[in-house]
Amino acid sequence: ILNVEQSPQSLHVQEGDSTNFTCSFPSSNFYALHWYRWETAKSPEALFVMTLNGDEKKKGRISATLNTKEGYSYLYIKGSQPEDSATYLCAFDSSYKLIFGSGTRLLVRP
Amino acid sequence: DGGITQSPKYLFRKEGQNVTLSCEQNLNHDAMYWYRQDPGQGLRLIYYSQIVNDFQKGDIAEGYSVSREKKESFPLTVTSAQKNPTAFYLCASSIASRDQETQYFGPGTRLLVL
Repeated sequence: ILNVEQSPQSLHVQEGDSTNFTCSFPSSNFYALHWYRWETAKSPEALFVMTLNGDEKKKGRISATLNTKEGYSYLYIKGSQPEDSATYLCAFDSSYKLIFGSGTRLLVRP
Repeated sequence: DGGITQSPKYLFRKEGQNVTLSCEQNLNHDAMYWYRQDPGQGLRLIYYSQIVNDFQKGDIAEGYSVSREKKESFPLTVTSAQKNPTAFYLCASSIASRDQETQYFGPGTRLLVL
């Protein structure tokens, strides 16, 4: 059974803080690693699709890194803003389906 | 506007009743998916369809059924055989069912048992 773990489960930070969270996934049969952002009362929205070991992707203040050999990805948010409050999901791509972690819930206090 | 719509937003089911959740997309995507979310857990795949008139069971298909008669529509029926149907249901689509394809999600339906 393929297992995808995310930590921490939840995180409260102050506006302006930088933060990061982890996604751990199986290091074999890797096709891609997806990050999604899910705001309350909205649909999950794709942030990144990461495919190569050592990949780094960036979108504004959010960036992600990938280590396929050891099976982890980090998501970083620089200078968190209240609008960054959301649940961040990662998903291990096993070719025909995505296996999701349970998410990290981020709350940014003004 | 292209996107995925799900209806209803909330659905109540009585004991022994079958209910159907609607999912429609106008993105011209071939692949569609149904996920279930329970508190503290990741999204779990119920069924997926790679093309019209074809669908496959996911990890938790028992007690559910689907159809894919049209490219844009992938309804999910929660049957009376599903003993614990209370959950949040998300529908998604992608251009194709292959690796590295981004999935696009609908807003979800929350199903509650009366």
